Amino acid sequence: DIVMTQSPDSLAVSVGERATINCRSSQSVLYSSNKKNYLAWYQQKPGQPPKLLIYWASSRESGVPDRFSGSGSGTDFTLTISSLQAEDVAVYYCQEYYSPLRTFGQGTKVEIK
Amino acid sequence: QVQLAQSGAEVKKPGSSVKVSCKASGENFKTYTVNWVRQAPGQGPEWMGGILPLFGTVNYAPRFRDRVTISADEFTTTVFMELSSLASEDTAVYYCARDRGQGTSALPMDVWGQGTTVSVSS
Repeated sequence: DIVMTQSPDSLAVSVGERATINCRSSQSVLYSSNKKNYLAWYQQKPGQPPKLLIYWASSRESGVPDRFSGSGSGTDFTLTISSLQAEDVAVYYCQEYYSPLRTFGQGTKVEIK
Repeated sequence: QVQLAQSGAEVKKPGSSVKVSCKASGENFKTYTVNWVRQAPGQGPEWMGGILPLFGTVNYAPRFRDRVTISADEFTTTVFMELSSLASEDTAVYYCARDRGQGTSALPMDVWGQGTTVSVSS
């Protein structure tokens, strides 16, 4: 089974500052035949379902502000919020969809400093 | 715009079963995989299984395979998830979520139901 490990577990960032969340998979999620990383990022606010932000590691979902960006390949990935806004307070999850189990990370809680 | 509307909260006794429904509105119900994902209090989401109604193909996570049944009714465009032999550890919010794209290819989930809280307590 693929294990997804996020860091840090939580972080507090001032409004307008950059927030960076890391995600590491226990094995590569890069599919060699199409050169795609099977890695997604979700945002979850209290009482709501997860919302898809990023897929294929770096493709932004329609309607997602461009301050959200994803990067990385293979086993190491990053979600960056370039200028944190108050509405970005949430828990963020990475997820691999390379394996049938589609494993999620444990989550990173983002708060305002 | 596709929407997924789930049934209401459930309170169950240990050892019993629960069946949660997820009604899809919009086009192409049969050609998208609908998944079930659960989230225990304070935990990350966990994929349980999914169904592609077009072929009736169902895949389950190994840890749930012996006690979960996922089915679909194409006439009512509703997907069901039944979980048996409930224990307190099954207390969670259960979500249905649709794959971002048609067919059986590995994809993330872009449309989610509102969630159904299942509480298991004696």
